[in-house]
Amino acid sequence: DGGITQSPKYLFRKEGQNVTLSCEQNLNHDAMYWYRQDPGQGLRLIYYSQIVNDFQKGDIAEGYSVSREKKESFPLTVTSAQKNPTAFYLCASSYSLDTEAFFGQGTRLTVV
Amino acid sequence: QKEVEQDPGPLSVPEGAIVSLNCTYSNSAFQYFMWYRQYSRKGPELLMYTYSSGNKEDGRFTAQVDKSSKYISLFIRDSQPSDSATYLCAMTLSGGYQKVTFGTGTKLQVIP
Repeated sequence: DGGITQSPKYLFRKEGQNVTLSCEQNLNHDAMYWYRQDPGQGLRLIYYSQIVNDFQKGDIAEGYSVSREKKESFPLTVTSAQKNPTAFYLCASSYSLDTEAFFGQGTRLTVV
Repeated sequence: QKEVEQDPGPLSVPEGAIVSLNCTYSNSAFQYFMWYRQYSRKGPELLMYTYSSGNKEDGRFTAQVDKSSKYISLFIRDSQPSDSATYLCAMTLSGGYQKVTFGTGTKLQVIP
Protein backbone atom coordinates (compact mmCIF):
# COMPACT_ATOMS: atom_id res chain seq x y z
CA ASP A 1 0.00 0.00 0.00
CA GLY A 2 1.25 3.46 -0.87
CA GLY A 3 1.36 6.01 1.87
CA ILE A 4 3.24 7.88 4.53
CA THR A 5 4.41 6.04 7.60
CA GLN A 6 5.32 7.82 10.79
CA SER A 7 6.85 5.96 13.66
CA PRO A 8 6.47 5.53 16.49
CA LYS A 9 2.86 6.52 17.14
CA TYR A 10 3.64 7.51 20.74
CA LEU A 11 7.00 8.56 22.10
CA PHE A 12 8.08 9.47 25.59
CA ARG A 13 11.38 11.15 26.40
CA LYS A 14 13.03 12.78 29.35
CA GLU A 15 13.69 16.49 29.27
CA GLY A 16 17.11 17.31 27.84
CA GLN A 17 17.27 14.34 25.48
CA ASN A 18 17.26 14.60 21.72
CA VAL A 19 14.70 12.45 19.93
CA THR A 20 14.25 11.55 16.25
CA LEU A 21 10.86 11.02 14.63
CA SER A 22 10.70 8.86 11.54
CA CYS A 23 8.78 9.64 8.34
CA GLU A 24 8.88 7.37 5.29
CA GLN A 25 6.83 7.64 2.10
CA ASN A 26 6.51 5.32 -0.89
CA LEU A 27 4.46 7.69 -3.03
CA ASN A 28 7.46 8.85 -5.07
CA HIS A 29 6.85 12.39 -3.83
CA ASP A 30 9.59 14.99 -4.12
CA ALA A 31 8.34 17.36 -1.41
CA MET A 32 8.06 16.51 2.26
CA TYR A 33 7.01 18.53 5.30
CA TRP A 34 6.96 18.47 9.08
CA TYR A 35 4.18 20.18 11.00
CA ARG A 36 3.47 20.55 14.67
CA GLN A 37 -0.11 20.59 16.02
CA ASP A 38 -1.01 21.94 19.45
CA PRO A 39 -4.48 22.29 21.02
CA GLY A 40 -6.09 25.58 20.03
CA GLN A 41 -3.54 26.25 17.31
CA GLY A 42 -3.45 25.47 13.63
CA LEU A 43 -0.79 23.28 12.10
CA ARG A 44 2.54 25.08 12.06
CA LEU A 45 5.28 24.29 9.58
CA ILE A 46 8.61 23.26 11.10
CA TYR A 47 10.68 22.31 8.03
CA TYR A 48 10.05 21.37 4.45
CA SER A 49 12.07 19.79 1.68
CA GLN A 50 11.42 20.36 -1.98
CA ILE A 51 13.86 17.71 -3.17
CA VAL A 52 16.52 15.30 -1.92
CA ASN A 53 19.48 16.93 -0.15
CA ASP A 54 17.60 20.22 0.20
CA PHE A 55 15.46 21.53 3.02
CA GLN A 56 14.23 24.89 4.28
CA LYS A 57 13.12 26.25 7.64
CA GLY A 58 9.44 26.78 8.20
CA ASP A 59 7.79 29.11 10.66
CA ILE A 60 8.94 27.39 13.88
CA ALA A 61 12.26 25.69 13.08
CA GLU A 62 14.10 26.65 16.27
CA GLY A 63 15.05 23.60 18.31
CA TYR A 64 14.48 21.17 15.43
CA SER A 65 16.69 19.66 12.74
CA VAL A 66 16.04 17.51 9.67
CA SER A 67 17.86 15.65 6.94
CA ARG A 68 16.81 14.52 3.47
CA GLU A 69 19.39 12.00 2.30
CA LYS A 70 16.85 9.80 0.54
CA LYS A 71 13.73 10.70 -1.39
CA GLU A 72 11.62 8.39 0.76
CA SER A 73 12.77 9.58 4.16
CA PHE A 74 12.59 12.87 6.06
CA PRO A 75 13.44 12.34 9.76
CA LEU A 76 12.89 15.10 12.29
CA THR A 77 15.10 15.51 15.36
CA VAL A 78 13.66 17.37 18.32
CA THR A 79 16.64 18.72 20.21
CA SER A 80 16.98 19.73 23.84
CA ALA A 81 16.92 23.35 22.64
CA GLN A 82 13.21 23.08 21.83
CA LYS A 83 11.48 24.72 24.80
CA ASN A 84 8.07 23.05 24.50
CA PRO A 85 8.56 19.79 22.62
CA THR A 86 5.42 17.99 23.81
CA ALA A 87 3.06 18.03 20.81
CA PHE A 88 1.52 16.04 17.98
CA TYR A 89 3.91 15.94 15.00
CA LEU A 90 2.67 15.40 11.48
CA CYS A 91 4.68 14.54 8.40
CA ALA A 92 3.31 15.16 4.91
CA SER A 93 4.44 14.76 1.32
CA SER A 94 3.42 15.92 -2.14
CA TYR A 95 4.65 15.58 -5.73
CA SER A 96 5.73 19.21 -5.61
CA LEU A 97 5.20 22.24 -3.42
CA ASP A 98 2.23 23.19 -5.61
CA THR A 99 0.28 19.95 -5.37
CA GLU A 100 -1.93 18.28 -2.81
CA ALA A 101 -0.14 17.15 0.34
CA PHE A 102 -0.92 13.85 2.04
CA PHE A 103 -0.40 13.44 5.75
CA GLY A 104 0.89 10.61 7.88
CA GLN A 105 -0.89 9.44 11.02
CA GLY A 106 1.27 11.50 13.34
CA THR A 107 3.56 10.93 16.30
CA ARG A 108 2.56 12.14 19.72
CA LEU A 109 5.68 13.16 21.61
CA THR A 110 5.56 13.63 25.35
CA VAL A 111 8.59 15.02 27.16
CA VAL A 112 8.62 14.58 30.91
CA GLN B 1 -5.64 38.79 15.37
CA LYS B 2 -4.98 35.46 13.70
CA GLU B 3 -4.78 35.36 9.92
CA VAL B 4 -7.39 32.59 9.85
CA GLU B 5 -10.19 32.35 12.39
CA GLN B 6 -12.21 29.20 12.95
CA ASP B 7 -14.73 28.48 15.70
CA PRO B 8 -13.34 25.52 17.68
CA GLY B 9 -16.77 24.15 18.56
CA PRO B 10 -17.66 21.52 19.52
CA LEU B 11 -20.61 21.52 17.17
CA SER B 12 -23.21 18.82 17.87
CA VAL B 13 -25.90 18.01 15.32
CA PRO B 14 -28.41 15.16 14.85
CA GLU B 15 -27.81 12.62 12.13
CA GLY B 16 -29.19 13.81 8.79
CA ALA B 17 -28.74 17.51 9.54
CA ILE B 18 -27.02 19.96 7.24
CA VAL B 19 -23.77 21.14 8.79
CA SER B 20 -22.15 24.49 8.09
CA LEU B 21 -18.49 24.98 9.01
CA ASN B 22 -16.90 28.37 8.51
CA CYS B 23 -13.62 30.24 8.46
CA THR B 24 -12.82 33.90 8.12
CA TYR B 25 -9.49 35.31 7.07
CA SER B 26 -7.78 38.65 7.08
CA ASN B 27 -5.34 38.41 4.17
CA SER B 28 -7.16 39.28 0.96
CA ALA B 29 -4.25 37.85 -1.06
CA PHE B 30 -5.14 34.24 -0.21
CA GLN B 31 -5.94 32.45 -3.47
CA TYR B 32 -6.28 28.74 -2.70
CA PHE B 33 -8.60 27.31 -0.09
CA MET B 34 -8.76 23.82 1.36
CA TRP B 35 -10.78 21.81 3.86
CA TYR B 36 -9.25 18.90 5.75
CA ARG B 37 -10.95 16.31 7.92
CA GLN B 38 -9.03 14.95 10.91
CA TYR B 39 -10.23 12.03 12.98
CA SER B 40 -9.03 11.81 16.57
CA ARG B 41 -5.33 10.94 16.85
CA LYS B 42 -4.99 10.68 13.06
CA GLY B 43 -3.46 12.81 10.34
CA PRO B 44 -5.62 15.25 8.33
CA GLU B 45 -7.03 14.18 4.96
CA LEU B 46 -7.87 16.61 2.18
CA LEU B 47 -11.60 16.93 1.47
CA MET B 48 -11.92 19.91 -0.85
CA TYR B 49 -9.56 22.21 -2.74
CA THR B 50 -10.85 25.37 -4.38
CA TYR B 51 -9.28 28.30 -6.16
CA SER B 52 -11.95 30.77 -7.10
CA SER B 53 -14.97 32.31 -5.45
CA GLY B 54 -18.17 30.32 -5.71
CA ASN B 55 -19.24 26.80 -4.89
CA LYS B 56 -17.59 23.43 -5.47
CA GLU B 57 -19.51 20.25 -4.82
CA ASP B 58 -18.26 16.72 -4.15
CA GLY B 59 -20.88 14.24 -3.04
CA ARG B 60 -22.36 15.38 0.25
CA PHE B 61 -19.75 18.13 0.63
CA THR B 62 -19.92 21.65 -0.78
CA ALA B 63 -17.14 24.20 -0.39
CA GLN B 64 -18.04 27.85 -0.74
CA VAL B 65 -15.63 30.76 -1.09
CA ASP B 66 -16.59 34.42 -0.80
CA LYS B 67 -13.43 36.42 -1.40
CA SER B 68 -15.21 39.77 -1.09
CA SER B 69 -16.20 38.90 2.49
CA LYS B 70 -13.06 36.87 3.18
CA TYR B 71 -15.19 33.96 4.28
CA ILE B 72 -15.19 30.29 3.37
CA SER B 73 -17.63 27.55 4.30
CA LEU B 74 -17.94 23.80 4.11
CA PHE B 75 -21.45 22.35 4.00
CA ILE B 76 -22.14 18.71 4.77
CA ARG B 77 -25.53 17.38 3.68
CA ASP B 78 -27.22 14.38 5.28
CA SER B 79 -24.58 14.27 8.01
CA GLN B 80 -23.57 10.85 9.32
CA PRO B 81 -21.99 9.74 12.61
CA SER B 82 -18.89 8.89 10.54
CA ASP B 83 -18.57 12.61 9.77
CA SER B 84 -17.71 13.20 13.44
CA ALA B 85 -14.21 14.66 13.29
CA THR B 86 -12.32 17.93 13.42
CA TYR B 87 -12.49 20.00 10.25
CA LEU B 88 -9.57 22.27 9.40
CA CYS B 89 -9.68 25.06 6.89
CA ALA B 90 -6.44 26.03 5.17
CA MET B 91 -5.43 28.64 2.65
CA THR B 92 -2.39 29.86 0.76
CA LEU B 93 -1.29 32.84 -1.27
CA SER B 94 0.01 30.70 -4.09
CA GLY B 95 -0.36 26.97 -4.61
CA GLY B 96 2.70 26.24 -2.52
CA TYR B 97 2.21 24.12 0.56
CA GLN B 98 5.17 25.70 2.27
CA LYS B 99 3.03 28.78 2.71
CA VAL B 100 -0.25 27.21 3.79
CA THR B 101 -1.97 28.78 6.81
CA PHE B 102 -4.23 26.42 8.75
CA GLY B 103 -7.22 27.25 10.93
CA THR B 104 -7.41 25.76 14.42
CA GLY B 105 -10.19 23.35 13.45
CA THR B 106 -13.87 22.87 14.37
CA LYS B 107 -14.81 19.69 16.20
CA LEU B 108 -18.03 18.19 14.82
CA GLN B 109 -20.11 15.52 16.50
CA VAL B 110 -23.01 13.93 14.65
CA ILE B 111 -25.43 12.28 17.07
CA PRO B 112 -27.19 9.09 15.82
